[in-house]
Amino acid sequence: DADVTQTPRNRITKTGKRIMLECSQTKGHDRMYWYRQDPGLGLRLIYYSFDVKDINKGEISDGYSVSRQAQAKFSLSLESAIPNQTALYFCATMGQTNTEAFFGQGTRLTVV
Amino acid sequence: GENVEQHPSTLSVQEGDSAVIKCTYSDSASNYFPWYKQELGKRPQLIIDIRSNVGEKKDQRIAVTLNKTAKHFSLHITETQPEDSAVYFCAASMAAGNKLTFGGGTRVLVKP
Repeated sequence: DADVTQTPRNRITKTGKRIMLECSQTKGHDRMYWYRQDPGLGLRLIYYSFDVKDINKGEISDGYSVSRQAQAKFSLSLESAIPNQTALYFCATMGQTNTEAFFGQGTRLTVV
Repeated sequence: GENVEQHPSTLSVQEGDSAVIKCTYSDSASNYFPWYKQELGKRPQLIIDIRSNVGEKKDQRIAVTLNKTAKHFSLHITETQPEDSAVYFCAASMAAGNKLTFGGGTRVLVKP
């Protein structure tokens, strides 16, 4: 089945460490997104990319960076993790004309 | 940018009763309004959507209504069942395949 896969699924890291969350998809979609989920705050957009050469900041990009290594791969990095980046992170994909967003399984990140 | 507000944040209903979740959006250019359901520990999945040229859409026990003048839209679930227990997110977008702005989510609990 075509899918969106995130690694790792769970991660505990220390304050100040660099960490990378990875997302790969087999749906053939051009558009990829990174969202962060916090209780009561819904899903907030961190970064998005409409193709390999296109990277755009979302509403909460400070403290994060991304890399679109290929059409199928979109990675999110925390250069120096801090405790308030503890959250559930979702990658999502969407086609150019397809209206449905397909989410990965999520990565639960804890910064201690 | 777009801002989506969602109410209530939690909703408890008796099995068989109806549930209504309401969202408002700020950007009059938004024209696509999906609803996602997230079961406990799972990824969000699209359950229904509506475009700005339509006022209402139904799919079995769920329906969405849209009032473009007032910039609000609602999800209605009739004859609720225990499997309807989940977190529901509304979202808004300016075009198909574009970035989605999500509301804060509503946790629905259906009591048997």
